Amino acid sequence: AQKITQTQPGMFVQEKEAVTLDCTYDTSDPSYGLFWYKQPSSGEMIFLIYQGSYDQQNATEGRYSLNFQKARKSANLVISASQLGDSAMYFCAMRERGYGQNFVFGPGTRLSVLP
Amino acid sequence: NAGVTQTPKFRVLKTGQSMTLLCAQDMNHEYMYWYRQDPGMGLRLIHYSVGEGTTAKGEVPDGYNVSRLKKQNFLLGLESAAPSQTSVYFCASSYLDTEAFFGQGTRLTVV
Repeated sequence: AQKITQTQPGMFVQEKEAVTLDCTYDTSDPSYGLFWYKQPSSGEMIFLIYQGSYDQQNATEGRYSLNFQKARKSANLVISASQLGDSAMYFCAMRERGYGQNFVFGPGTRLSVLP
Repeated sequence: NAGVTQTPKFRVLKTGQSMTLLCAQDMNHEYMYWYRQDPGMGLRLIHYSVGEGTTAKGEVPDGYNVSRLKKQNFLLGLESAAPSQTSVYFCASSYLDTEAFFGQGTRLTVV
């Protein structure tokens, strides 16, 4: 069963505007972590932001914020003031408790920032 | 700190050949993972390890084997490569309750 859903295969945004990348997840574990990674065309995986399931406030890291709606099992990434360098694949991931503490990834959203 | 280093970065194999991908981390992480990335499918877990001497199967383990004889190293083996194993392979490592740190990836083509 798909545990991480990213419904937007591709997104476009104008430079300097804000954009929201959607992520929904499925888990019965009360304790979990949610992560967003960026993968530019060069291929490396860059960690952006983390939200714990018990965190009361939405996580923020510079221009990135995570809109965490626990009851809806939603963890959307908001990028403010988009830059050309934000063009990349973005992956949502979840880490559950359990033996391996494995990270489960969504299929990704390709973001293109237009000048 | 080098972080997570994968060797090699690129490789072309013929069907039936074998090879080993090496992952080394210098952050003293307990957890290590091997993923494969295919277009439209995100990253899928092949095998993982929760500590030195331990390994376990992930979502897509068939055709692969792993070993973790030393805490800092996690090896991924392909005994008899098939074209379906053409992919980009990522190694990652982590502490408990933190983000995963990734290697640069290995692009493998099986012809």
